[in-house]
Amino acid sequence: GAGVSQSPSNKVTEKGKDVELRCDPISGHTALYWYRQSLGQGLEFLIYFQGNSAPDKSGLPSDRFSAERTGGSVSTLTIQRTQQEDSAVYLCASSLDGQGALEQYFGPGTRLTVT
Amino acid sequence: AQTVTQSQPEMSVQEAETVTLSCTYDTSESDYYLFWYKQPPSRQMILVIRQEAYKQQNATENRFSVNFQKAAKSFSLKISDSQLGDAAMYFCAYRSEGNNRLAFGKGNQVVVIP
Repeated sequence: GAGVSQSPSNKVTEKGKDVELRCDPISGHTALYWYRQSLGQGLEFLIYFQGNSAPDKSGLPSDRFSAERTGGSVSTLTIQRTQQEDSAVYLCASSLDGQGALEQYFGPGTRLTVT
Repeated sequence: AQTVTQSQPEMSVQEAETVTLSCTYDTSESDYYLFWYKQPPSRQMILVIRQEAYKQQNATENRFSVNFQKAAKSFSLKISDSQLGDAAMYFCAYRSEGNNRLAFGKGNQVVVIP
């Protein structure tokens, strides 16, 4: 079956503009995660959705970042008033649920460049 | 928050030889999970191997194996018979029981020399 897909693959935006990044998880996966990978760094957790529960937003770096997940499937990460330090690869992952050793399946990411 | 440390940012290995990547982590928990992910230039993270902390036996997946030392909080990855396709960034990751997020190290770049 299809894996996790993300769009766009690359996004260049001007400082101060808003951007939306999209993630389509694997069908049937109830857990969805967003991570950020800055240049030369590991992945940094941003936000987690599990079914209809309230999302875990504890990793969001500022109130300019928000995310939603509609209908328990597609998710959108929104960054308002982008700054140069927001430049990074944004990776989405999904898993069957949020427990234990279950594998998180990653998408190819969106590379965001803020000029 | 848990800290995952990977030293030796870049490792080179001759094709068909063995390379070992080190990973240490900091935790006060007894139940948790450890993972190694591979990230090729395509950017897509691929799970290589996982280890449940309650299992004493080291996990093995074909040419990939781990050395899990719970007391030392160490989780190294050994790649045997290295192949050109193994060239990638490798990330060690930690997940605690009852939590959902993965905490990642900064990664090791593996270069395979033909």
